[in-house]
Amino acid sequence: AQSVTQLGSHVSVSEGALVLLRCNYSSSVPPYLFWYVQYPNQGLQLLLKYTTGATLVKGINGFEAEFKKSETSFHLTKPSAHMSDAAEYFCAVSDRAGGTSYGKLTFGQGTILTVHP
Amino acid sequence: DSGVTQTPKHLITATGQRVTLRCSPRSGDLSVYWYQQSLDQGLQFLIHYYNGEERAKGNILERFSAQQFPDLHSELNLSSLELGDSALYFCASSPTGPVTGELFFGEGSRLTVL
Repeated sequence: AQSVTQLGSHVSVSEGALVLLRCNYSSSVPPYLFWYVQYPNQGLQLLLKYTTGATLVKGINGFEAEFKKSETSFHLTKPSAHMSDAAEYFCAVSDRAGGTSYGKLTFGQGTILTVHP
Repeated sequence: DSGVTQTPKHLITATGQRVTLRCSPRSGDLSVYWYQQSLDQGLQFLIHYYNGEERAKGNILERFSAQQFPDLHSELNLSSLELGDSALYFCASSPTGPVTGELFFGEGSRLTVL
């Protein structure tokens, strides 16, 4: 079974500072990993995903994440925070069951990012 | 706009009642997933349907049921409601084709049980 642990339920940064949101996963098979963002009163939106290939993946809004198998991590970063980045971020792992039972995502508990002026 | 439509957006009801939440997936998506989001449990997977057939069940209570219809829309039925069922219920759909696990979420239905 897959599981995801997000370290830190709240992260606060200043505008222009580095954003680092931590995610560690557990999976019995090579994982597919995702970061989703949820703005207030909205559904989740995909930021980026890792399936296979390059371990550094780039997403929307200047975010990127690096898959590190040895550390079972998939941390999300952004070099310079913007006020509009304030939201809740979820790391997720896919079960990759294959066939038509693919895609069930297991989510972490979420990290609320606050950006101060 | 993800292309996934959920109704109603807000619903207030009393304990013991029954409600139905509706989801229309993105055009062409055969898979529909239901998730429950609450402060104490976070995002919990409830159930997955693919082209009308149930594919996977998660932490779904026996008081809850779902189905996916031939036109691919889905309904989540919640009965004998309890205070603890108050939550945001998300529907998501996924593209067919290669396995990627990417889901497209609706804006959710917020259920308040009084």
